[in-house]
Amino acid sequence: NAGVMQNPRHLVRRRGQEARLRCSPMKGHSHVYWYRQLPEEGLKFMVYLQKENIIDESGMPKERFSAEFPKEGPSILRIQQVVRGDSAAYFCASSRQGSGSGNTIYFGEGSWLTVV
Amino acid sequence: DAKTTQPNSMESNEEEPVHLPCNHSTISGTDYIHWYRQLPSQGPEYVIHGLTSNVNNRMASLAIAEDRKSSTLILHRATLRDAAVYYCILIHSGGSNYKLTFGKGTLLTVNP
Repeated sequence: NAGVMQNPRHLVRRRGQEARLRCSPMKGHSHVYWYRQLPEEGLKFMVYLQKENIIDESGMPKERFSAEFPKEGPSILRIQQVVRGDSAAYFCASSRQGSGSGNTIYFGEGSWLTVV
Repeated sequence: DAKTTQPNSMESNEEEPVHLPCNHSTISGTDYIHWYRQLPSQGPEYVIHGLTSNVNNRMASLAIAEDRKSSTLILHRATLRDAAVYYCILIHSGGSNYKLTFGKGTLLTVNP
């Protein structure tokens, strides 16, 4: 019973490099979400995607961050020209429905990005 | 969005029951009460959710006050693996209810 799969679990990047985080949702789930947890802070919503569509990116920083969920393959969160402040845990989550009664969202184990 | 209030931390002994409280005095009629927990270096894990009636599953029980302004997550026999931060979150039925608002939660320490 595979849950939400994220990789890599840990990623180290130098300032200015690109980071790519991948997420495969749970089987039967077509709604994907990305959250970020900065050190000593709570999780914050970043973006909501369905296949080939960005539904809500209101939590995404305006620059350097992008997300996609192609027709085939995992969802990708891409951070260009990383800076130290991007160091955080990035969690992907998925659900069967996008909303509705008692919608339950399941999280992956996270990808820890460290920018040196 | 309706807010929740939880104690910052609680402590329990192994194999004893734990009652984790949550106040949500501004809850609306269509808000579901969800509980998640986050173990160290892991993602949030869904625990249980309910609307009005008490709920039980293999992980825990959820007791919801009659006026729905508070709820209690009950771990019947705490184990060391239950040590985590527990989040009480209100999820609106409909609309942008995928934007979960994680507060500080309650840090549960379980003593052997």
